[in-house]
Formats: sequence, structure tokens, C-alpha cells
Amino acid sequence: QQQVKQSPQSLIVQKGGISIINCAYENTAFDYFPWYQQFPGKGPALLIAIRPDVSEKKEGRFTISFNKSAKQFSLHIMDSQPGDSATYFCAGLNTNAGKSTFGDGTTLTVKP
Amino acid sequence: KAGVTQTPRYLIKTRGQQVTLSCSPISGHRSVSWYQQTPGQGLQFLFEYFSETQRNKGNFPGRFSGRQFSNSRSEMNVSTLELGDSALYLCASSFQGGPNTEAFFGQGTRLTVV
Repeated sequence: QQQVKQSPQSLIVQKGGISIINCAYENTAFDYFPWYQQFPGKGPALLIAIRPDVSEKKEGRFTISFNKSAKQFSLHIMDSQPGDSATYFCAGLNTNAGKSTFGDGTTLTVKP
Repeated sequence: KAGVTQTPRYLIKTRGQQVTLSCSPISGHRSVSWYQQTPGQGLQFLFEYFSETQRNKGNFPGRFSGRQFSNSRSEMNVSTLELGDSALYLCASSFQGGPNTEAFFGQGTRLTVV
């Protein structure tokens, strides 16, 4: 059962533009929502995360928006740079169970 | 602080063989999770170990097994390899799998089955 649906599968943005990646979840037991960034040949690295009692979290150019009633959350990358080109994964985590469920990933390409 | 270390980085095996992958978590981390990553299937959860006990298990056949040692190091074993097992196998460690439970990934082991 796919519990975290991520879209789009791929995204091309011009340098300086805004990249938006969306995720929707089904499991209401999720209580932590991290985003990971993965460069080719590397493992995913935690980028930013949010808990469902917060509607927005911002760290530098990266912002998570969270809509608990709709069970949706999104990653916004402001002023996108070519160095942001990577695959991004959203995830839902049930911290009591210690189990993460990942979306299928979005390949972001930022064109100079 | 050293990160998550996975060995080996690359492996080539023949169908029917078995393979063992190793993961050393960040010092002090007690939870270790394993994932299979393929281009078409994304990150698929295999299992999680906490204090030497398997705490969670994904939907993989019994050919996939794992264990965790008292020092939190973990191994994953795949028996009777199939071509479809070719993938990047990632290990992630976290402090305890509860609150403040960010997972840190290793660089993975690239397994190719021929």
C-alpha cells in the first residue's frame, strides 16, 4: 500500500525560480515529516522536517508547508540554484513505531 | 563524529548466490533501518533493528534477513539472489527511532546481480 504519494516525478526549473514538490499521506499515525535530498552516488541526507502541529517551517531557502486536515505537505525551494539539482524524497514517520515511509522521489533539475 | 558506514560500496554477484552487507551506525545510535532503492520503486523499507531486535519489517520475501549486534552494527543478508535484487541498499541509523529521530543514511551498497 502506497502511503505517501509524491509529485511530480520530475521537475525542471530555471535558476532563481521556485521549485515546489508535493506529498500526500494516508497514515494518520505519522507524526513527523522529513524531506531528504539525494545527490547521485550518495545516500539521502535530511534536509528539513516538520511536525503536524506546525503549519510551516522555513530554513534558509527551503520551506515546508503542512496541511494536516488535507493530509498534504509540500517543499518549496526559493531562488532555486543549479546546485539544488538532486532527487528529493518526502517521508512520513511514526516515531513510536520507528518506521519511515518514503515517497517515490522527485528529480529536480535547475537550469542555469 | 563519523557518519553511517556501509561496506562494501559495490558488489557483483551471480544469480543463486547469497550476499551479506554491513552497516555501522553513528556512534550512540541504536536504531538501524535498511532500504532498497531502485529507479522504478523508490525507497522500499526492508526492516528496522533496535537493540538487537527486529522492530519493524517491510514487505520483502524471507530471502531478505538481517541482524543487529550488541554494538548496534547491523548486517543484511540476501539468499538465492535474483536479477531483480539488483539495487542500491541503504542503511539509516537514528538515536532511538522515537522523537528527535532524524535518520542519517550511509552512502549505500550497490549490488548488481548477473
